[in-house]
Amino acid sequence: ETGVTQTPRHLVMGMTNKKSLKCEQHLGHNAMYWYKQSAKKPLELMFVYSLEERVENNSVPSRFSPECPNSSHLFLHLHTLQPEDSALYLCASSQDWDRGNTGELFFGEGSRLTVL
Amino acid sequence: SQQGEEDPQALSIQEGENATMNCSYKTSINNLQWYRQNSGRGLVHLILIRSNEREKHSGRLRVTLDTSKKSSSLLITASRAADTASYFCATALRITAGNKLTFGGGTRVLVKP
Repeated sequence: ETGVTQTPRHLVMGMTNKKSLKCEQHLGHNAMYWYKQSAKKPLELMFVYSLEERVENNSVPSRFSPECPNSSHLFLHLHTLQPEDSALYLCASSQDWDRGNTGELFFGEGSRLTVL
Repeated sequence: SQQGEEDPQALSIQEGENATMNCSYKTSINNLQWYRQNSGRGLVHLILIRSNEREKHSGRLRVTLDTSKKSSSLLITASRAADTASYFCATALRITAGNKLTFGGGTRVLVKP
């Protein structure tokens, strides 16, 4: 138990569906992250929120829309996805975004997404 | 090629043996971290080593960092079947603002009972 909870753990959706992934952290952290993990590729950073403000967007297609309503919750809204978007989506949190010399990440268990 | 690259990509050992994996990177770092991932699960932080440190220990884990060679190694001593997992290095780049980690492709470790 890392203190970061992701739901759902598994999601199957069609290309025209709209769904959302949810992440909640119970650690009092100020920064939250979305990573994508595809087969045979390194983890890709998608978005970062610091104190509910988006501070990083790594050229992610607009069919992925993040939302951070407060410092404990992070959502990833999915719309009109492609089969190649099938992957494990990992949420993480860290104490702060601004500390360049530390930065342990606490990960959730991930949401396994399959796009048909 | 990517910032952090692990070597080997896969490793198979007997229980009780030591496992060593390496990570190379290209640009100056603030720190380097190692994570473990069990199949289909999230990543778990193992150890962080700062750029001014050369070696750190945590239980059966030993991490070294050679900034002149831009490389790090993770040693797991007296391995157990429960150590079967993928291990990733992640670098916090000196030039990057914020807490942005770049992950390598990982080393898959199989510890056979």
